[in-house]
Amino acid sequence: NAGVTQTPKFRVLKTGQSMTLLCAQDMNHEYMYWYRQDPGMGLRLIHYSVGEGTTAKGEVPDGYNVSRLKKQNFLLGLESAAPSQTSVYFCASSYGGSGSFGTQYFGPGTRLLVL
Amino acid sequence: AQSVSQHNHHVILSEAASLELGCNYSYGGTVNLFWYVQYPGQHLQLLLKYFSGDPLVKGIKGFEAEFIKSKFSFNLRKPSVQWSDTAEYFCAVNARQAGTALIFGKGTTLSVSS
Repeated sequence: NAGVTQTPKFRVLKTGQSMTLLCAQDMNHEYMYWYRQDPGMGLRLIHYSVGEGTTAKGEVPDGYNVSRLKKQNFLLGLESAAPSQTSVYFCASSYGGSGSFGTQYFGPGTRLLVL
Repeated sequence: AQSVSQHNHHVILSEAASLELGCNYSYGGTVNLFWYVQYPGQHLQLLLKYFSGDPLVKGIKGFEAEFIKSKFSFNLRKPSVQWSDTAEYFCAVNARQAGTALIFGKGTTLSVSS
């Protein structure tokens, strides 16, 4: 099993450009998450999904959109990138939402630089 | 609102020293507790977790953590650290009644010198 994979690994954008980050998992997990990691801030939840076709906002959703058209994929979109979105983005998935099923498994991350 | 506090931002130890990283959370209900580790340039890996039962949980690589409900704490310990333990450590809490959100602390960087 590859677990959780993310593409691309690294990207440089200019302010105002758009892009989509792809997350894929092969563990048949229902729940998927997008986080951003910034120095001294830990990880903050952007959006999450509790199943195919569903999405919900996390702690810091502004400027991002997501889609979960297939159970194994969770896309994170930036419609108009801003320098404040320079960060490392991590995708995670879990079988369920709580208890032992809620253990989240993380992807390798995407490093995004917005100039 | 739920929050997680990690007391130490950066800890520097020599090999073979003992380690204790503090983690406190604010939530009055039932919680699931996690410690994740991020080695340099790598993604987060689960170190250990607590859901119920014995409050002393053992994880990978000789790490353990103790859940003290009265203190809202879940401190991470290791009797003797190695150079390869150099990493960033994150405590995280999931409040069962609050849905799926996993709240992370800001992380503690551990540097171990050989």
